[in-house]
Amino acid sequence: AQSVTQLDSQVPVFEEAPVELRCNYSSSVSVYLFWYVQYPNQGLQLLLKYLSGSTLVKGINGFEAEFNKSQTSFHLRKPSVHISDTAEYFCAVSDPMNRDDKIIFGKGTRLHILP
Amino acid sequence: EAGVAQSPRYKIIEKRQSVAFWCNPISGHATLYWYQQILGQGPKLLIQFQNNGVVDDSQLPKDRFSAERLKGVDSTLKIQPAKLEDSAVYLCASSPGLAERFRETQYFGPGTRLLVL
Repeated sequence: AQSVTQLDSQVPVFEEAPVELRCNYSSSVSVYLFWYVQYPNQGLQLLLKYLSGSTLVKGINGFEAEFNKSQTSFHLRKPSVHISDTAEYFCAVSDPMNRDDKIIFGKGTRLHILP
Repeated sequence: EAGVAQSPRYKIIEKRQSVAFWCNPISGHATLYWYQQILGQGPKLLIQFQNNGVVDDSQLPKDRFSAERLKGVDSTLKIQPAKLEDSAVYLCASSPGLAERFRETQYFGPGTRLLVL
């Protein structure tokens, strides 16, 4: 079964600084990978997803992620964060070749933007 | 376009009581999901509907949880009887249902926060 690990539970970063949120998944022949953002007291919103093709995926709000098959990683990056990026970020994975597949979410990384 | 609606937003009950949550997906979305999000964890899929049929309920604790989606639109999730460990946020999501499983973007509601005392 697939699994996903978000290595940092919390990440503090100064406003306008770059940020990287790390995500690793268990190896599989094929994967779909997702990053969701959850603002306080709200549901999840899709930032970006990798289904196939280019390994660099661009999403909303200036975020991007790179699929690295050899390192089984899908790290999320933003070159310059804003106070409005304060939220919890979830990485998720599914295996499209597995009929019994579930979508598996990581435990989340809380991004704190410091003024 | 209206988003996914859920009610109630908050619920406090005592253990062994029953509780029900309601979800209205985005209009026209064939696929509906219920997730359980325990504090400090990511969402866990409980059940997935395609129209009014169940696609996957393998992670639904069927001895106490039940869900239905009559007429393929609204859905209710029920817990009977509730346990302390059921305290969580229950999220509903929907997707158009036109593509293979999990390929589509899921649109989430704001969730129902349940506290079992």
